[in-house]
Amino acid sequence: EVQLVESGGGLVKPGGSLRLSCAASGFTFSSYSMNWVRQAPGKGLEWVSSISSSSNYIYYADSVKGRFTISRDNAKNSLYLQMNSLRAEDTALYYCAREVVPDAAFDYWGQGTLVTVSS
Amino acid sequence: QSAPTQPASVSGSPGQSITISCTGTSSDVGGYNYVSWYQHHPGKAPKLIIYDVSKRPSGVSNRFSASKSGNTASLTISGLQAEDEADYYCTSYTSSSTLVFGGGTKLTVL
Repeated sequence: EVQLVESGGGLVKPGGSLRLSCAASGFTFSSYSMNWVRQAPGKGLEWVSSISSSSNYIYYADSVKGRFTISRDNAKNSLYLQMNSLRAEDTALYYCAREVVPDAAFDYWGQGTLVTVSS
Repeated sequence: QSAPTQPASVSGSPGQSITISCTGTSSDVGGYNYVSWYQHHPGKAPKLIIYDVSKRPSGVSNRFSASKSGNTASLTISGLQAEDEADYYCTSYTSSSTLVFGGGTKLTVL
């Protein structure tokens, strides 16, 4: 059974940093591109970042470019999101999602981890 | 990258059909056949219901269908059921090699 479990969320002050993790199981992690998607309270889904299976291709939404860094460790079946210079508008539930390439579709999602940026 | 436009809300009675539109540009929805649709019940993980414009993943009801014309993609749900009440999002691959979600549509089953 495919499972994606996010962790690392919490309360952080504006300007602070946080590292999210996503532990994958039930599939060959190293064969899939992975993504982070977020949902701010009361708002819609927003794509954040993607990373290819071998980390060769990495992309970011303009809203996080230069502040967030996506990475993965295929040996540990884990996906990460390093978030720096956090802003109030980064407050959201962050999901990791497996991508079906080249269809750009997310067939499995985690339950999310909540990030709150507030003083 | 601007989000494709979806109606904020749609509604229908049980048994009826509804259609949700997703209007983008030639740089996203209109330029690629990589349009997907997701059903999202509050408090749960989003669920993929359509990919590649009109394909259904295994296990998704055939009451869900979708198409695209120009810069507008459309999701149709036929034979509405109470369990279909949820938020629906389109997403598309873009010319920047990124992905973009539509603004989302809240479906109410009356």
